[in-house]
Amino acid sequence: DSGVTQTPKHLITATGQRVTLRCSPRSGDLSVYWYQQSLDQGLQFLIQYYNGEERAKGNILERFSAQQFPDLHSELNLSSLELGDSALYFCASSVGGVDTQYFGPGTRLTVL
Amino acid sequence: GENVEQHPSTLSVQEGDSAVIKCTYSDSASNYFPWYKQELGKGPQLIIDIRSNVGEKKDQRIAVTLNKTAKHFSLHITETQPEDSAVYFCAATAGGGADGLTFGKGTHLIIQP
Repeated sequence: DSGVTQTPKHLITATGQRVTLRCSPRSGDLSVYWYQQSLDQGLQFLIQYYNGEERAKGNILERFSAQQFPDLHSELNLSSLELGDSALYFCASSVGGVDTQYFGPGTRLTVL
Repeated sequence: GENVEQHPSTLSVQEGDSAVIKCTYSDSASNYFPWYKQELGKGPQLIIDIRSNVGEKKDQRIAVTLNKTAKHFSLHITETQPEDSAVYFCAATAGGGADGLTFGKGTHLIIQP
């Protein structure tokens, strides 16, 4: 158990819908990262937040957004969903900068 | 941006033998190189990492080597056991404010009994 929690574990929705994925980092960690894992794209970095502020952006689509709240939990919002958005979404956390990232168990999103 | 290549995509070894997985990276500014193990239905789990000021690091049966000049790093697992069967990912990051990891495509390691 990494100490990072993610909810929900599974999510099934329809094209065009909007969903919110939630992540709670390990106690004491200030950085939260979001990754997408799919068969064709592999594991891709989406976005990082540090202590409530956006710190780095990766291959995140404009339809996706995230935020980190004062209690340091984070949410990833996916809108106008397409079939190709079906994937595993992982959250990871670390103490700060270039530190060990601990991954959560993931949320499996299925878009029908 | 950073690009990480990982080989082989599948590796089958006999139990007790050694396994080696190799990765190359493109960004000479990268300075942190972790390796993750992912089992079916679970999130990636860090097994070992190395920073650019170190050439080799060992933790029991697992070792990682880094060649900054050639921009490649490798994972070595000795005395493989059935529980080592999983998908292994290498990753790299340059840090400096962009701390997301760039991952290789993964190696499916199969330990044959």
